[in-house]
Amino acid sequence: DARVTQTPRHKVTEMGQEVTMRCQPILGHNTVFWYRQTMMQGLELLAYFRNRAPLDDSGMPKDRFSAEMPDATLATLKIQPSEPRDSAVYFCASGLTRGQPQHFGDGTRLSIL
Amino acid sequence: AQTVTQSQPEMSVQEAETVTLSCTYDTSENNYYLFWYKQPPSRQMILVIRQEAYKQQNATENRFSVNFQKAAKSFSLKISDSQLGDTAMYFCAFMKQDTGNQFYFGTGTSLTVIP
Repeated sequence: DARVTQTPRHKVTEMGQEVTMRCQPILGHNTVFWYRQTMMQGLELLAYFRNRAPLDDSGMPKDRFSAEMPDATLATLKIQPSEPRDSAVYFCASGLTRGQPQHFGDGTRLSIL
Repeated sequence: AQTVTQSQPEMSVQEAETVTLSCTYDTSENNYYLFWYKQPPSRQMILVIRQEAYKQQNATENRFSVNFQKAAKSFSLKISDSQLGDTAMYFCAFMKQDTGNQFYFGTGTSLTVIP
């Protein structure tokens, strides 16, 4: 079965460091989503790409977060500088348009000390 | 804006029994899609079931079925013959028809199946 691949699965780093999370969407999917999951806030949509173009990043703190799709096989989410409140599980999902489900990666568990 | 409400933060059910998880949503759209996702302790997000709003027939996938009430904007998930592996967080999600496949998620219901 085709899968969304996220790396790394776990990341522990100190406050102030740059963090880069990567996502390989399922081949042929034209939409990519980044979510953040915490106990307090649940699932939050951070960014949304269609055909590699950013459509919505209103959920993302602009001063420190950035999301890009340098090509159709790679999406990245960067945090610079990282803060303890960024500790969460970050999910990437991909899909096709028009009512098709999103397929999720296994997530990156990020801990900022 | 679309909102999705799951009013039961936690539920439990005895193994082999049936449980129903509730989900309501608010939208002015006429055509849309609804989904249930399951997130077990392994934290994977797994699609359980999908419903198209224009279809009156309720979707079914093995032991999982939905009760879709469009007028009431209700989309509940019924799990029959509950198994220990059904222990998970369950998320209801809404998708508009005409804006790609962006989801609006509920806050989730944590289900525990008791042996």
